[in-house]
Amino acid sequence: KAGVTQTPRYLIKTRGQQVTLSCSPISGHRSVSWYQQTPGQGLQFLFEYFSETQRNKGNFPGRFSGRQFSNSRSEMNVSTLELGDSALYLCASSLGAGGPGQFFGPGTRLTVL
Amino acid sequence: AQSVTQLDSHVSVSEGTPVLLRCNYSSSYSPSLFWYVQHPNKGLQLLLKYTSAATLVKGINGFEAEFKKSETSFHLTKPSAHMSDAAEYFCVVLSGGFKTIFGAGTRLFVKA
Repeated sequence: KAGVTQTPRYLIKTRGQQVTLSCSPISGHRSVSWYQQTPGQGLQFLFEYFSETQRNKGNFPGRFSGRQFSNSRSEMNVSTLELGDSALYLCASSLGAGGPGQFFGPGTRLTVL
Repeated sequence: AQSVTQLDSHVSVSEGTPVLLRCNYSSSYSPSLFWYVQHPNKGLQLLLKYTSAATLVKGINGFEAEFKKSETSFHLTKPSAHMSDAAEYFCVVLSGGFKTIFGAGTRLFVKA
């Protein structure tokens, strides 16, 4: 069974640009959660999607958004990038909703210059 | 308000000796608690979870954790450390409203 896939693995953007990250969960999993990991703030919850609906959202500005498609694949978008958005973005997939995530992907490393 | 505190940022043990990684939580609700491990340049892996069943939870790779409500603790232990256990460990609380809160992490070093 394939694991959680995140694309791209690495990304370099400049301030003010926007970016879209993709996460494909394990087949049959309907929940996808997103996290931001930085050395200063650690791991922070961004949002969770289950069956195309956002179930929960962390304390991030509206520049951070996401969606989930009918095949459970999820995307997150960050608009008007700031230097502080440089981070490792992790997604996790689970069968059911309401948890940190059973299986995590390798992450997308975003660098904002 | 919910919070989770990992009491040690770094723990160093010798191979073959016991491991203890400490985690305290604060929650207004009956929490679900988790431990994850992150090896360098890899994603997180779920070690174990507590969801109000047995207070002693067994996980993968010989790890276990005990939920102690009176002490609001959920410490992670392993009887005998292996070199491959060297990684960063995160304690996580899932509380009311399904808010997920990660601890700051404990880096485990294993000496040969």
